[in-house]
Amino acid sequence: GQQVMQIPQYQHVQEGEDFTTYCNSSTTLSNIQWYKQRPGGHPVFLIQLVKSGEVKKQKRLTFQFGEAKKNSSLHITATQTTDVGTYFCAGSGGYNKLIFGAGTRLAVHP
Amino acid sequence: DGGITQSPKYLFRKEGQNVTLSCEQNLNHDAMYWYRQDPGQGLRLIYYSQIVNDFQKGDIAEGYSVSREKKESFPLTVTSAQKNPTAFYLCASSIANGKEPYTFGSGTRLTVV
Repeated sequence: GQQVMQIPQYQHVQEGEDFTTYCNSSTTLSNIQWYKQRPGGHPVFLIQLVKSGEVKKQKRLTFQFGEAKKNSSLHITATQTTDVGTYFCAGSGGYNKLIFGAGTRLAVHP
Repeated sequence: DGGITQSPKYLFRKEGQNVTLSCEQNLNHDAMYWYRQDPGQGLRLIYYSQIVNDFQKGDIAEGYSVSREKKESFPLTVTSAQKNPTAFYLCASSIANGKEPYTFGSGTRLTVV
């Protein structure tokens, strides 16, 4: 069945460093969504990408959707301690539910 | 304000007991979902429902049951057949067929004592 892989599983950074997480699908996606889960909290929707090659920005966060619509990335510039949490990608390939990646857990050291 | 409410926040279950987790939404969403999350792990789909009186098994449905008698409500029962139920349970809802963003509840932490 359809799978969504996410790497890395875990990343430590010093505050101020950049961070990137990558998401790859085994099939073409009609759209991809990104969520953030703070420690002890629940996933919160960040953004959705729909178009091939689409790039969207939210302050220090940059989201990209690959040209083939099979991969995506989230890049955080100059991380802050408030960025700590787990970032999930989720893809919809035409099925009736989202397929979530396993998530990338980000730790930021001050 | 519209939202999705899960209760209780913490739940303790004795061995051999069935327990029911509540999930209620007032977002007028058609679809609702239950996920299980183990420490440091991702989200695993238990059951989902796209319409009242209909639901489908997810990837780890064994030992769980659900009902969808009302659009607003999608309770999850963790039965005694679920041998390792200690986990964080998340309910979510969305418009249409899962291609729209999910709204998650704040979760229920279930512990077997």
